[in-house]
Amino acid sequence: GESVGLHLPTLSVQEGDNSIINCAYSNSASDYFIWYKQESGKGPQFIIDIRSNMDKRQGQRVTVLLNKTVKHLSLQIAATQPGDSAVYFCAERPPGTYKYIFGTGTRLKVLA
Amino acid sequence: DARVTQTPRHKVTEMGQEVTMRCQPILGHNTVFWYRQTMMQGLELLAYFRNRAPLDDSGMPKDRFSAEMPDATLATLKIQPSEPRDSAVYFCASGFGNTIYFGEGSWLTVV
Repeated sequence: GESVGLHLPTLSVQEGDNSIINCAYSNSASDYFIWYKQESGKGPQFIIDIRSNMDKRQGQRVTVLLNKTVKHLSLQIAATQPGDSAVYFCAERPPGTYKYIFGTGTRLKVLA
Repeated sequence: DARVTQTPRHKVTEMGQEVTMRCQPILGHNTVFWYRQTMMQGLELLAYFRNRAPLDDSGMPKDRFSAEMPDATLATLKIQPSEPRDSAVYFCASGFGNTIYFGEGSWLTVV
């Protein structure tokens, strides 16, 4: 199957600090991107999305930045809380398809 | 609160047995996906449907896996015969438009 797997990087942040989670995507022509949060034992949960014709989108406490030049996505979480501890995945949609390809994921640990 | 519903939530089966996983997509969603998640491979796309028609099943081992959508409210993923390497969490997701939403997964262990 299509995937990027193996090593899962971990980001540890202090409660109240801002978090930045990065993702490199593979297809320069991908037209849509989503960030998901996955808590232990649960399915991935939608956080925020962005189209390829945008470079920034803000939600509640979260911001996604898209840099198409280097095929890079980032998710910024403001004032990180213990409930933000989870694995975060980015997903890209290749052009001309409806499918989503997921990145490796990053584990976020929030320290009290 | 609309959600994707998957059954069974947990399944332990013996090698060689048939396993069928079911998914009820969110009402009105016309695109349905099957993903598999393992520690080694992350989230892999196995197959997906749009308006009940299979669009891509290139991620699925064809000799033992099959995916169908008998109607708009049911998607199935079948493994026959199952093998220990099939042990994983199988997620169904559905969408209408750009965003897709995941179920809670079917945790499969083949012994």
